[in-house]
Amino acid sequence: AQTVTQSQPEMSVQEAETVTLSCTYDTSENNYYLFWYKQPPSRQMILVIRQEAYKQQNATENRFSVNFQKAAKSFSLKISDSQLGDTAMYFCAIQPNTGNQFYFGTGTSLTVIP
Amino acid sequence: GAVVSQHPSWVICKSGTSVKIECRSLDFQATTMFWYRQFPKQSLMLMATSNEGSKATYEQGVEKDKFLINHASLTLSTLTVTSAHPEDSSFYICSARGGAKLQPQHFGDGTRLSIL
Repeated sequence: AQTVTQSQPEMSVQEAETVTLSCTYDTSENNYYLFWYKQPPSRQMILVIRQEAYKQQNATENRFSVNFQKAAKSFSLKISDSQLGDTAMYFCAIQPNTGNQFYFGTGTSLTVIP
Repeated sequence: GAVVSQHPSWVICKSGTSVKIECRSLDFQATTMFWYRQFPKQSLMLMATSNEGSKATYEQGVEKDKFLINHASLTLSTLTVTSAHPEDSSFYICSARGGAKLQPQHFGDGTRLSIL
Protein backbone atom coordinates (compact mmCIF):
# COMPACT_ATOMS: atom_id res chain seq x y z
CA ALA A 1 0.00 0.00 0.00
CA GLN A 2 1.08 3.55 -0.60
CA THR A 3 0.41 6.54 1.62
CA VAL A 4 1.29 10.18 1.24
CA THR A 5 1.27 12.57 4.18
CA GLN A 6 1.28 16.34 4.04
CA SER A 7 1.39 17.56 7.60
CA GLN A 8 0.88 21.27 6.88
CA PRO A 9 -2.76 21.99 5.98
CA GLU A 10 -2.09 25.71 5.56
CA MET A 11 0.97 27.87 5.09
CA SER A 12 1.69 31.44 4.19
CA VAL A 13 4.75 33.24 2.90
CA GLN A 14 5.66 36.81 2.17
CA GLU A 15 6.08 37.69 -1.48
CA ALA A 16 9.68 37.19 -2.69
CA GLU A 17 10.49 34.95 0.28
CA THR A 18 11.19 31.21 0.25
CA VAL A 19 8.85 28.54 1.58
CA THR A 20 9.17 24.78 1.96
CA LEU A 21 6.22 22.40 1.85
CA SER A 22 6.73 19.02 3.43
CA CYS A 23 5.67 15.61 2.17
CA THR A 24 6.42 12.16 3.47
CA TYR A 25 5.34 8.90 1.93
CA ASP A 26 5.38 5.20 2.48
CA THR A 27 5.76 2.55 -0.17
CA SER A 28 7.18 -0.91 -0.52
CA GLU A 29 8.06 -0.31 -4.16
CA ASN A 30 11.66 0.10 -5.27
CA ASN A 31 10.91 2.26 -8.25
CA TYR A 32 8.40 5.04 -8.37
CA TYR A 33 7.83 8.64 -9.34
CA LEU A 34 7.05 11.50 -7.01
CA PHE A 35 5.14 14.57 -8.11
CA TRP A 36 4.07 17.95 -6.85
CA TYR A 37 0.90 19.34 -8.38
CA LYS A 38 -0.52 22.81 -7.89
CA GLN A 39 -4.25 23.55 -7.86
CA PRO A 40 -4.98 27.30 -8.01
CA PRO A 41 -8.46 28.71 -7.34
CA SER A 42 -9.36 27.89 -10.95
CA ARG A 43 -9.06 24.27 -9.73
CA GLN A 44 -7.02 23.01 -12.66
CA MET A 45 -4.30 20.61 -11.56
CA ILE A 46 -0.91 21.76 -12.84
CA LEU A 47 2.26 19.69 -12.69
CA VAL A 48 4.95 21.59 -10.81
CA ILE A 49 7.81 19.12 -10.64
CA ARG A 50 8.55 15.41 -10.64
CA GLN A 51 11.31 13.19 -9.29
CA GLU A 52 12.33 9.68 -10.28
CA ALA A 53 13.08 7.61 -7.21
CA TYR A 54 16.21 6.03 -8.68
CA LYS A 55 17.78 9.43 -9.35
CA GLN A 56 19.68 10.86 -6.43
CA GLN A 57 19.90 14.35 -7.87
CA ASN A 58 17.13 16.60 -6.69
CA ALA A 59 14.83 17.87 -9.43
CA THR A 60 14.61 21.59 -10.09
CA GLU A 61 12.27 23.61 -12.26
CA ASN A 62 12.99 27.34 -12.25
CA ARG A 63 11.94 28.62 -8.80
CA PHE A 64 10.78 25.18 -7.68
CA SER A 65 13.09 22.54 -6.30
CA VAL A 66 12.71 19.41 -4.22
CA ASN A 67 14.66 17.89 -1.38
CA PHE A 68 14.31 14.16 -1.98
CA GLN A 69 15.48 11.97 0.88
CA LYS A 70 14.79 8.43 -0.23
CA ALA A 71 15.86 6.69 2.97
CA ALA A 72 13.66 9.00 5.02
CA LYS A 73 10.87 8.82 2.42
CA SER A 74 10.67 12.56 2.34
CA PHE A 75 9.93 14.77 -0.66
CA SER A 76 9.69 18.44 0.23
CA LEU A 77 9.05 21.27 -2.21
CA LYS A 78 10.93 24.55 -1.98
CA ILE A 79 9.52 27.62 -3.68
CA SER A 80 12.00 30.46 -4.01
CA ASP A 81 11.14 34.10 -4.69
CA SER A 82 7.46 33.43 -4.00
CA GLN A 83 4.99 35.17 -6.28
CA LEU A 84 1.33 36.01 -5.82
CA GLY A 85 0.48 33.51 -8.54
CA ASP A 86 1.92 30.73 -6.40
CA THR A 87 -1.12 30.97 -4.13
CA ALA A 88 -2.78 27.56 -4.49
CA MET A 89 -3.30 24.14 -3.02
CA TYR A 90 -0.25 21.95 -3.43
CA PHE A 91 -0.57 18.19 -3.62
CA CYS A 92 2.22 15.69 -3.28
CA ALA A 93 1.71 12.38 -5.12
CA ILE A 94 3.45 9.06 -5.65
CA GLN A 95 3.09 6.67 -8.53
CA PRO A 96 4.59 3.22 -8.01
CA ASN A 97 6.12 1.43 -10.97
CA THR A 98 3.81 -1.53 -10.63
CA GLY A 99 0.54 0.33 -11.11
CA ASN A 100 -1.28 3.12 -12.86
CA GLN A 101 -2.63 4.87 -9.81
CA PHE A 102 -1.42 8.09 -8.30
CA TYR A 103 -1.70 8.41 -4.55
CA PHE A 104 -2.25 11.98 -3.43
CA GLY A 105 -1.65 13.66 -0.09
CA THR A 106 -4.32 15.79 1.52
CA GLY A 107 -2.77 18.99 0.26
CA THR A 108 -1.24 22.18 1.65
CA SER A 109 -2.97 25.48 1.06
CA LEU A 110 -0.30 28.10 0.37
CA THR A 111 -1.04 31.80 0.50
CA VAL A 112 1.50 34.32 -0.77
CA ILE A 113 1.08 37.62 1.03
CA PRO A 114 1.87 40.82 -0.88
CA GLY B 1 1.75 20.27 -25.30
CA ALA B 2 -0.20 17.70 -23.26
CA VAL B 3 -3.49 19.54 -23.13
CA VAL B 4 -6.56 17.87 -21.69
CA SER B 5 -9.95 19.45 -22.29
CA GLN B 6 -12.90 18.67 -20.04
CA HIS B 7 -16.46 19.64 -20.85
CA PRO B 8 -18.70 20.99 -19.48
CA SER B 9 -16.98 23.06 -16.80
CA TRP B 10 -20.17 23.52 -14.80
CA VAL B 11 -23.50 21.80 -14.99
CA ILE B 12 -26.63 22.22 -12.89
CA CYS B 13 -29.46 19.77 -13.32
CA LYS B 14 -32.45 18.28 -11.59
CA SER B 15 -32.37 15.17 -9.48
CA GLY B 16 -32.90 12.04 -11.57
CA THR B 17 -31.15 13.40 -14.64
CA SER B 18 -28.18 11.66 -16.23
CA VAL B 19 -25.18 13.84 -16.91
CA LYS B 20 -22.31 13.15 -19.30
CA ILE B 21 -18.85 14.67 -18.86
CA GLU B 22 -16.28 14.50 -21.64
CA CYS B 23 -12.53 14.36 -21.31
CA ARG B 24 -10.38 14.85 -24.40
CA SER B 25 -6.64 14.77 -24.93
CA LEU B 26 -6.07 17.43 -27.57
CA ASP B 27 -2.48 16.90 -28.66
CA PHE B 28 -1.53 13.41 -27.57
CA GLN B 29 -2.93 9.92 -27.50
CA ALA B 30 -4.13 8.98 -24.03
CA THR B 31 -3.71 5.28 -23.49
CA THR B 32 -4.98 5.65 -19.96
CA MET B 33 -7.48 8.09 -18.51
CA PHE B 34 -8.44 8.60 -14.90
CA TRP B 35 -11.53 10.01 -13.26
CA TYR B 36 -11.35 11.70 -9.88
CA ARG B 37 -13.83 13.22 -7.52
CA GLN B 38 -12.90 16.08 -5.23
CA PHE B 39 -14.93 17.39 -2.31
CA PRO B 40 -14.36 20.96 -1.09
CA LYS B 41 -10.97 21.43 0.53
CA GLN B 42 -10.13 17.76 0.16
CA SER B 43 -7.77 15.76 -1.96
CA LEU B 44 -8.57 13.97 -5.18
CA MET B 45 -10.23 10.60 -4.84
CA LEU B 46 -9.64 8.22 -7.71
CA MET B 47 -12.91 6.78 -8.98
CA ALA B 48 -11.79 4.69 -11.92
CA THR B 49 -9.06 4.03 -14.44
CA SER B 50 -9.86 3.40 -18.07
CA ASN B 51 -7.73 2.09 -20.87
CA GLU B 52 -8.74 2.65 -24.46
CA GLY B 53 -10.94 -0.12 -25.78
CA SER B 54 -11.37 -1.96 -22.50
CA LYS B 55 -13.64 -1.79 -19.49
CA ALA B 56 -12.84 0.68 -16.76
CA THR B 57 -11.38 -0.47 -13.47
CA TYR B 58 -13.34 1.02 -10.58
CA GLU B 59 -11.98 1.75 -7.13
CA GLN B 60 -13.55 0.08 -4.15
CA GLY B 61 -16.79 1.74 -3.13
CA VAL B 62 -17.47 3.35 -6.50
CA GLU B 63 -20.69 2.13 -8.11
CA LYS B 64 -19.97 1.15 -11.70
CA ASP B 65 -23.65 1.27 -12.62
CA LYS B 66 -23.88 4.77 -11.23
CA PHE B 67 -20.76 6.15 -12.85
CA LEU B 68 -20.50 4.83 -16.39
CA ILE B 69 -17.14 5.28 -18.04
CA ASN B 70 -16.43 4.85 -21.72
CA HIS B 71 -13.00 5.17 -23.32
CA ALA B 72 -13.82 4.52 -26.94
CA SER B 73 -10.84 6.22 -28.52
CA LEU B 74 -7.32 7.29 -27.66
CA THR B 75 -8.44 10.88 -27.26
CA LEU B 76 -11.82 10.67 -25.58
CA SER B 77 -13.24 9.29 -22.36
CA THR B 78 -16.67 10.02 -20.96
CA LEU B 79 -18.12 9.78 -17.47
CA THR B 80 -21.89 9.52 -17.21
CA VAL B 81 -23.48 10.06 -13.83
CA THR B 82 -26.75 8.17 -14.12
CA SER B 83 -29.88 9.22 -12.26
CA ALA B 84 -27.93 11.88 -10.40
CA HIS B 85 -28.94 12.86 -6.89
CA PRO B 86 -27.86 15.79 -4.69
CA GLU B 87 -25.22 13.64 -2.99
CA ASP B 88 -23.52 13.25 -6.38
CA SER B 89 -22.83 16.98 -6.42
CA SER B 90 -19.09 17.39 -6.49
CA PHE B 91 -16.11 18.46 -8.56
CA TYR B 92 -15.09 15.81 -11.09
CA ILE B 93 -11.65 15.89 -12.67
CA CYS B 94 -10.26 13.75 -15.45
CA SER B 95 -6.64 13.16 -16.28
CA ALA B 96 -4.87 11.47 -19.13
CA ARG B 97 -1.56 9.81 -19.66
CA GLY B 98 0.02 8.64 -22.85
CA GLY B 99 2.73 6.12 -23.53
CA ALA B 100 4.98 4.89 -20.75
CA LYS B 101 3.54 4.09 -17.38
CA LEU B 102 5.77 6.34 -15.28
CA GLN B 103 4.67 9.57 -16.89
CA PRO B 104 2.82 12.51 -15.39
CA GLN B 105 -0.89 12.67 -15.58
CA HIS B 106 -2.24 15.73 -17.37
CA PHE B 107 -5.42 17.07 -15.87
CA GLY B 108 -8.52 18.63 -17.32
CA ASP B 109 -10.00 21.78 -15.82
CA GLY B 110 -12.64 19.84 -13.94
CA THR B 111 -16.43 19.83 -13.97
CA ARG B 112 -18.52 21.26 -11.18
CA LEU B 113 -21.69 19.18 -10.95
CA SER B 114 -24.61 20.56 -8.96
CA ILE B 115 -27.72 18.43 -8.58
CA LEU B 116 -30.82 20.25 -7.35
